[in-house]
Amino acid sequence: EVQLVESGGGLVKPGGSLRLSCAASGFTFSSYSMNWVRQAPGKGLEWVSSISSSSSYIYYADSVKGRFTISRDNAKNSLYLQMNSLRAEDTAVYYCAREGWFGELLIYGMDVWGQGTTVTVSS
Amino acid sequence: SSELTQDPAVSVALGQTVRITCQGDSLRSYYASWYQQKPGQAPVLVIYGKNNRPSGIPDRFSGSSSGNTASLTITGAQAEDEADYYCNSRDSSGNHPCVFGGGTKLTVL
Repeated sequence: EVQLVESGGGLVKPGGSLRLSCAASGFTFSSYSMNWVRQAPGKGLEWVSSISSSSSYIYYADSVKGRFTISRDNAKNSLYLQMNSLRAEDTAVYYCAREGWFGELLIYGMDVWGQGTTVTVSS
Repeated sequence: SSELTQDPAVSVALGQTVRITCQGDSLRSYYASWYQQKPGQAPVLVIYGKNNRPSGIPDRFSGSSSGNTASLTITGAQAEDEADYYCNSRDSSGNHPCVFGGGTKLTVL
């Protein structure tokens, strides 16, 4: 079964740090680009960061650039998000999602999602 | 970065047809994908590309596109289709890999 399982969420004070992990199984992890997507309470989906299959290409949303670092370990089938200098507005459910390969570059989509891990930034 | 715009809320009578739209410059160049999200659950991909459904998605879900607008159509809406729907595509600005729409809350009456 294709599966993504996030962990590492929790309560942290403003200015603190947290590291999220995403364990992949059931597919060849090293062949896929991966993403972190978050959802603040009562709000919509927000793309946070992406990393290509070999870590050659990394992207961040402007809202997290310079504070968050995405990485992966293909030997461990794992994706990570190091979050530093956390702010109240980073409070959200963080999802790990696989970028699907649909056969052409005109199509973009995330075809596998984890269940999410909750990050709460509060004093 | 580019933006995708969705109506915040749409309603449909049980068994009727509803169209949810998504507008943005990126859609002139790239196809939209659509996700369904029910309360407390992760998003699920329901449509990708021109009009493709992942395995397990009912055929009452379909997608289309014209100009800068993509549409998700549910033909014969069921009670279980009540959910939030998000569109998503590559970001044509090139600054980021992708962009999400703000989401549409679908109510089935």
